[in-house]
Amino acid sequence: AQTVTQSQPEMSVQEAETVTLSCTYDTSENNYYLFWYKQPPSRQMILVIRQEAYKQQNATENRFSVNFQKAAKSFSLKISDSQLGDTAMYFCAFMKHGGTSYGKLTFGQGTILTVHP
Amino acid sequence: DAGITQSPRHKVTETGTPVTLRCHQTENHRYMYWYRQDPGHGLRLIHYSYGVKDTDKGEVSDGYSVSRSKTEDFLLTLESATSSQTSVYFCAISGQGNTEAFFGQGTRLTVV
Repeated sequence: AQTVTQSQPEMSVQEAETVTLSCTYDTSENNYYLFWYKQPPSRQMILVIRQEAYKQQNATENRFSVNFQKAAKSFSLKISDSQLGDTAMYFCAFMKHGGTSYGKLTFGQGTILTVHP
Repeated sequence: DAGITQSPRHKVTETGTPVTLRCHQTENHRYMYWYRQDPGHGLRLIHYSYGVKDTDKGEVSDGYSVSRSKTEDFLLTLESATSSQTSVYFCAISGQGNTEAFFGQGTRLTVV
């Protein structure tokens, strides 16, 4: 079984600054995917960024980037130029590769990020 | 936005009563999932379906059952609701070979 741990229950950052959210995971799988989801107060789950474990290059989506360390089983999210709209709960999630595993996610506990003006 | 609709969006029910939550999709995706979200636990998988009449248990399936008689509908039933089932429930869908799961808006269920 997989486990995902987010050790920061809450984080805060000033608008325009950079913040990093931490995530560690445990698995015996070699092929898998890692995700960061954003959940604003509206409760909608929004995919922020996705990383494929077999790709060494860190994924980037505009102001969002990850630091994927496969050997250390670490997957942190960096948000640059933080905006007020980034205020949300952020979830790290793991998914095994292949077959009926698609969509079967193991989530971390979540980190509440507050961006202050 | 992916076409996923959960109903109802909010429900308050009494302990011991049966409750059914509905997830409806218009994407014709093969896979459908029910998760529950609780503070300190993130989201946890309850049940999932990989086709009509094909379902299986997830991590926290005790006290829940599901049915999928049509591709577009996935029902979650609490046979006899308990206070520990007070939670926010999310439906998600995923296509064949698609690594992205799309989530519904969630249903807040309170069992009193």
